[in-house]
Amino acid sequence: KQEVTQIPAALSVPEGENLVLNCSFTDSAIYNLQWFRQDPGKGLTSLLLIQSSQREQTSGRLNASLDKSSGRSTLYIAASQPGDSATYLCAVSGGSNYKLTFGKGTLLTVNP
Amino acid sequence: GAVVSQHPSWVICKSGTSVKIECRSLDFQATTMFWYRQFPKQSLMLMATSNEGSKATYEQGVEKDKFLINHASLTLSTLTVTSAHPEDSSFYICSAFGQDSYNSPLHFGNGTRLTVT
Repeated sequence: KQEVTQIPAALSVPEGENLVLNCSFTDSAIYNLQWFRQDPGKGLTSLLLIQSSQREQTSGRLNASLDKSSGRSTLYIAASQPGDSATYLCAVSGGSNYKLTFGKGTLLTVNP
Repeated sequence: GAVVSQHPSWVICKSGTSVKIECRSLDFQATTMFWYRQFPKQSLMLMATSNEGSKATYEQGVEKDKFLINHASLTLSTLTVTSAHPEDSSFYICSAFGQDSYNSPLHFGNGTRLTVT
């Protein structure tokens, strides 16, 4: 059974800092890995999707890496802003129905 | 970009009543939609996979007679919580693959906050 773990559970940083969020998964037989952002009481917004054959994806100030063999991914956020404050969720897709398994998320607070 | 609309955004109902939640893909067709449930400070848990024109596939431990799913068209899936109880209070979110492809990003609705009194 796939298990996804995200560390840290919560992170508070001053504005402008670069930061790294970590995600690990137990079963390396995945199709892809996605990072999502969730604002309080809202649905999820897809940030980056990395196919299993890829090593990283970039979008603006965000960079996500994937090391499938070791079951790890990181989300790097450069020059953080207060608007980046949200919960960041990692999810891996696998199995016969491409089911996504989610981590519990990292609650990020960027202080002005 | 792909948009998934979910309605209502919140609902309060009395114990024993049924509640229907709608999930629509606004600018694309979705043969498959997913229904998730999220408790406070917990991860999303997949409840069922909704397949257009056929029966939904439920995850282990999810009562199919309690959580009725209908996917009658390529743009609409509904989740009906029957005979709701306070323990069914939760945040329900639907999603679909934006290009109806399993290797494309998953797009989510804004969720429905259900409170059963």
